[in-house]
This record gives sequence, C-alpha cells and structure tokens, in this order.
Amino acid sequence: RKEVEQDPGPFNVPEGATVAFNCTYSNSASQSFFWYRQDCRKEPKLLMSVYSSGNEDGRFTAQLNRASQYISLLIRDSKLSDSATYLCVVIPFTGGGNKLTFGTGTQLKVEL
Amino acid sequence: DAMVIQNPRYQVTQFGKPVTLSCSQTLNHNVMYWYQQKSSQAPKLLFHYYDKDFNNEADTPDNFQSRRPNTSFCFLDIRSPGLGDAAMYLCATSRISSGANVLTFGAGSRLTVL
Repeated sequence: RKEVEQDPGPFNVPEGATVAFNCTYSNSASQSFFWYRQDCRKEPKLLMSVYSSGNEDGRFTAQLNRASQYISLLIRDSKLSDSATYLCVVIPFTGGGNKLTFGTGTQLKVEL
Repeated sequence: DAMVIQNPRYQVTQFGKPVTLSCSQTLNHNVMYWYQQKSSQAPKLLFHYYDKDFNNEADTPDNFQSRRPNTSFCFLDIRSPGLGDAAMYLCATSRISSGANVLTFGAGSRLTVL
C-alpha cells in the first residue's frame, strides 16, 4: 500500500460546481497534512495546511479524519482558474519534519 | 521576487553526459531538498540537507549526488544520465520550526536525455 494515495482523476466539472477530493494515508502516526496545487509543467505551491479541527480559506475547505486516515479538500463555486492538479502531502511521523510524502495528485478540469 | 531560483530551467543532455543543476535561495531556510518528478507522478524525494547534514533517501541511485557549499546554494549532479532520468527536478526549501513544515519550491529544471 502506498503511503499516500489519491484518485488521479481527472475530475471534469462545470464552472460553479462543488467538487471534493479525498486522500488516504497509511501511517496512523502521521502528524501534518497539506494540500498543494500544481499547474501544468509548473512547481507545486502550498494551497493550505490541514488542521485537526478542519479549516476553511474562502472557497476551499480542508478536513482531516484521523479515524479513517484520510484528508479531504472541498472546492465550492469552481472557477476555470481552479483547473490544476491537487497534491496531498503528509509528514508521516513525529520528528519527520524533513520528510514530506506526496500523493500522485488529483487532476481537476473546470469547464464552461 | 523569486525566492528559490533554479538553473537551468531546461537542460538537454546526451546519454551518459554529466549534468549539474543548481538551486539558490534568498529565504535563509535551513533545509534544502531535491525532488524528481516524472510525468503524472508524485514528486519523489531524492535527498535533503538539514543545514550541512546530508540525508540520502535509501532508494536514490548512486548516479545522483548533491552538494551544498553554503546556506544559499545547493547542486544536483547526475553523473551518467540515462533515459530514465528524464524528469522535472524540483528544488525546495523550508525552515524547520515547531509548526508545520511548509516547502517553497523553485520553478524546476526540466531534463531531457537524448
């Protein structure tokens, strides 16, 4: 089983739709979680950290479910500019602050 | 404004011809990373420096070496590139703190092996 797993998609949604991605992780001791966004042929950029209590940033909501070992990203009112690959990132263990593990990413295509 | 700068952005080399990719940062971050990313795959950590301490991933081939002469610069040397080494090479930095460890990436160096 991979340390971090994501549905690769693509998710094709109309503009204005709500879309959600999940990411599962294998190590129950994992401590920190993030969502990064990567545009085609560009570098990944931090979208948001994922906190235990869940967090929201505008149209984006991230949640953590430790019992089931997954994190989720919800995008409301999708924009064309949201089209990108969304990478789930996990720090797999306490003290492993140097070792971020990436998922393969979920591709989102927002269409007119 | 770029805080993590990679050069060159595009590198074409011949099979077996050594290549050096460079990364510089103006953030004064203590950790620098090299990731390899192939098409439709996750970035794969090759190694990282925590200050001067070098940390190699167990599955990083010996063909890949790295140097960090000072805080600001880090180099990736590919001694004998093979066709399978064609990829985007991403440099990233972070400052380890008590909080979450956030990476800042450079724009990447795309390597083509002929």
